[in-house]
Amino acid sequence: GEEVAQTPKHLVRGEGQKAKLYCAPIKGHSYVFWYQQVLKNEFKFLISFQNENVFDETGMPKERFSAKCLPNSPCSLEIQATKLEDSAVYFCASSRNRGRGSSYNEQFFGPGTRLTVL
Amino acid sequence: RKEVEQDPGPFNVPEGATVAFNCTYSNSASQSFFWYRQDCRKEPKLLMSVYSSGNEDGRFTAQLNRASQYISLLIRDSKLSDSATYLCVALNAGNMLTFGGGTRLMVKP
Repeated sequence: GEEVAQTPKHLVRGEGQKAKLYCAPIKGHSYVFWYQQVLKNEFKFLISFQNENVFDETGMPKERFSAKCLPNSPCSLEIQATKLEDSAVYFCASSRNRGRGSSYNEQFFGPGTRLTVL
Repeated sequence: RKEVEQDPGPFNVPEGATVAFNCTYSNSASQSFFWYRQDCRKEPKLLMSVYSSGNEDGRFTAQLNRASQYISLLIRDSKLSDSATYLCVALNAGNMLTFGGGTRLMVKP
């Protein structure tokens, strides 16, 4: 598609429940990124993929967070045993390629999934 | 200390005013810089890339000073529709974006 698509728009979970978020990157984009935005505009990088391969996972909380980008499927971000502090908006972004020019590395963001953990 | 620092504002300006935002970054290895705009917790949208030579897009002018690790955004002739949060963003190794905390602008009639 021409836009990054994210589902669901809103997700409410009780503490300890699992949450799974989905992202379909723009067609033809090789890179997918997940960011977490908590209150006060604090964005945190979580993980990136180059096609189906993990490219950088330095931002991922190791214990409860996992992510995948499988061929012919939307990418997913899964949180096992959610905690109150996981409440945030999770944005997915995609970029065409990785190159020296900014036109190659411009990241386009999806509308986000708002996760509320009660 | 955050890697990308911005004044959170809010900046309250009248329509037609000129307003400038500043941003500093601490990672000298950052490769590229951008200004993104975010409305009411919607997704960030790219406003413009920032180059050392300076670049202008209509009423918006962005400037990068690598020696001082300083980035600026100037908005001329402010419109009501410019009201938003402006995010200063650095692109680091691995194509990872590092965001500043954002500067909130409110343009009033």
